[in-house]
Amino acid sequence: GNSVTQMEGPVTLSEEAFLTINCTYTATGYPSLFWYVQYPGEGLQLLLKATKADDKGSNKGFEATYRKETTSFHLEKGSVQVSDSAVYFCALSADNYGQNFVFGPGTRLSVLP
Amino acid sequence: DADVTQTPRNRITKTGKRIMLECSQTKGHDRMYWYRQDPGLGLRLIYYSFDVKDINKGEISDGYSVSRQAQAKFSLSLESAIPNQTALYFCATSEGTQKWETQYFGPGTRLLVL
Repeated sequence: GNSVTQMEGPVTLSEEAFLTINCTYTATGYPSLFWYVQYPGEGLQLLLKATKADDKGSNKGFEATYRKETTSFHLEKGSVQVSDSAVYFCALSADNYGQNFVFGPGTRLSVLP
Repeated sequence: DADVTQTPRNRITKTGKRIMLECSQTKGHDRMYWYRQDPGLGLRLIYYSFDVKDINKGEISDGYSVSRQAQAKFSLSLESAIPNQTALYFCATSEGTQKWETQYFGPGTRLLVL
């Protein structure tokens, strides 16, 4: 079946450090890939997405590139801020019916001033 | 105002009790979903609905039921709560069902079953 694996957290960084959160997936066909972010006390919200191979999603300084050859969608940011502290979920959607939206376990990021 | 709201935000109940979690949305979306979030497991789909007449089981529907009262309202019920249903529950909506569609989440309901 379809699955998403992402690096275990928590990840603790100092402000302005470089961030990478690894995500790999297993899926049939050509899934769409997503990063969602969950700030404390809130629901998940879309951070970025990519819908086909080699697409790059970007938002708020975060980027991720859809790599079909390595089945990966790693999240990166060049300079994190304290306000980026949150839980980040990698997810995929493998078909057009919405019921196969698969989430990874989440990675908690803490950014220290 | 939030587009997707959930009530209550927190709930403590006892084993065997029936409880209902409610979700309302003002986004005008036909598709609605219920997920539960457990530490280290991400989110898992409980039920989903494509319109008021279409309700489908998700990955972990046992012990749960749902009701789609209107386009804007989708309720989740635990008929007889048990401790392993202690979790964070999220409602979500989407405009369509294409695989690139964004899902929009409510703030969650934290449920503790004693």
